[in-house]
Amino acid sequence: DGGITQSPKYLFRKEGQNVTLSCEQNLNHDAMYWYRQDPGQGLRLIYYSQIVNDFQKGDIAEGYSVSREKKESFPLTVTSAQKNPTAFYLCASSPGQVNYEQYFGPGTRLTVT
Amino acid sequence: DQQVKQNSPSLSVQEGRISILNCDYTNSMFDYFLWYKKYPAEGPTFLISISSIKDKNEDGRFTVFLNKSAKHLSLHIVPSQPGDSAVYFCAARERSGNTPLVFGKGTRLSVIA
Repeated sequence: DGGITQSPKYLFRKEGQNVTLSCEQNLNHDAMYWYRQDPGQGLRLIYYSQIVNDFQKGDIAEGYSVSREKKESFPLTVTSAQKNPTAFYLCASSPGQVNYEQYFGPGTRLTVT
Repeated sequence: DQQVKQNSPSLSVQEGRISILNCDYTNSMFDYFLWYKKYPAEGPTFLISISSIKDKNEDGRFTVFLNKSAKHLSLHIVPSQPGDSAVYFCAARERSGNTPLVFGKGTRLSVIA
């Protein structure tokens, strides 16, 4: 059945290492997004992509990078430049334009020590 | 500056009573509003939406009211159930279609049995 998958559910890394979070969707959606959630901060947009090979920075893109080589995949790399990488990361997708209703994946909890 | 504000970080309600979650917005270009529900360590799920051409939309126990002149919307849950305990996010869409949904910071609802 269709949906968005994020793996793994929990991820642990040492400080100074880059880490890539996976996001795959089989909904045939054009747009994809990455958010992070911190306590009391709600959902903050990191990057989004409207079509393959194109993406835009969100509100907190510093220290992150993305790629969109395939329509169904939108991996997020948390680089060592990200000062506070420990957070809950959510991937989402939407059909059509970027401001359509979004469907979210189950999230990845990243802990960096 | 927040375009979508949920000024109550948390709300506690007795089981069977009404829960009212509020959301204010500042951008007059918003024409569509959505509510998402989120359980801990899971992705948000779409709950209910309303277009700016309406002032009310109902779906079972959930009703959303929109007051455009006050730039205010509210989500009513009647009757509240313990399973409704979650974080609720208000989101808004801009008419232009070129920008992603804008999310509020969320309100944590606790329904007490």
